[in-house]
Amino acid sequence: EIVLTQSPGTLSLSPGERATLSCRASQSVNENYLAWYQQKPGQAPRLLIFGVSSRATGIPDRFSGSGSGTDFTLSISRLEPEDFAVYYCQQYGPSPWTFGHGTKVEIK
Amino acid sequence: QVQLQESGPGLLKPSETLSLTCTVSGYSISSGYHWGWVRQPPGKGLEWIGFIYYSGSTSYNPSLKSRVIISADTSKNQFSLNVISVTAADTAVYFCVRGVDVWGQGTLVTVSA
Repeated sequence: EIVLTQSPGTLSLSPGERATLSCRASQSVNENYLAWYQQKPGQAPRLLIFGVSSRATGIPDRFSGSGSGTDFTLSISRLEPEDFAVYYCQQYGPSPWTFGHGTKVEIK
Repeated sequence: QVQLQESGPGLLKPSETLSLTCTVSGYSISSGYHWGWVRQPPGKGLEWIGFIYYSGSTSYNPSLKSRVIISADTSKNQFSLNVISVTAADTAVYFCVRGVDVWGQGTLVTVSA
């Protein structure tokens, strides 16, 4: 089973600042099957990034994903008020699929 | 537009069986994709439960494998989750998912005596 470790647990930033979220895998993620989600209270997760760096339909270009092997990053270039939420990474290569424990991006 | 909708009982007693159905519209579940379930205990993170592939093969989270079955009814364009012998630890919002991209709104299942 691939364990995903997200850091930091909480990120305190101001609107307009850049956010950098990390997701580290316990072993290499096959064929870049790594996704990022945003979740707000009371809502289902929303797919932001799939295949490490491909933006999902309708996702603004201020969101970008990068990385390979075991180290992955979600970047938000300039935080908008609606971006303050919890972010999860997920690997969907070999079963079992697994999620990280999440990074909360909060307003400073 | 592809949409998924969970349905099923919201309250169970310990030792009962949790049964949820996901009704899919806008796409045939026999055409492709993994059709899966994810849960989220109150205030906690996401836990992958398992999926059924469009071909019929299944895969489950090892921590739940002994209690979980995921099945599909292609005639109704639905897939289902069954979890036997539930406990309070199974209390969560349950989401059905197409692959990684389309999620249902989620349904809260509470296990309480």
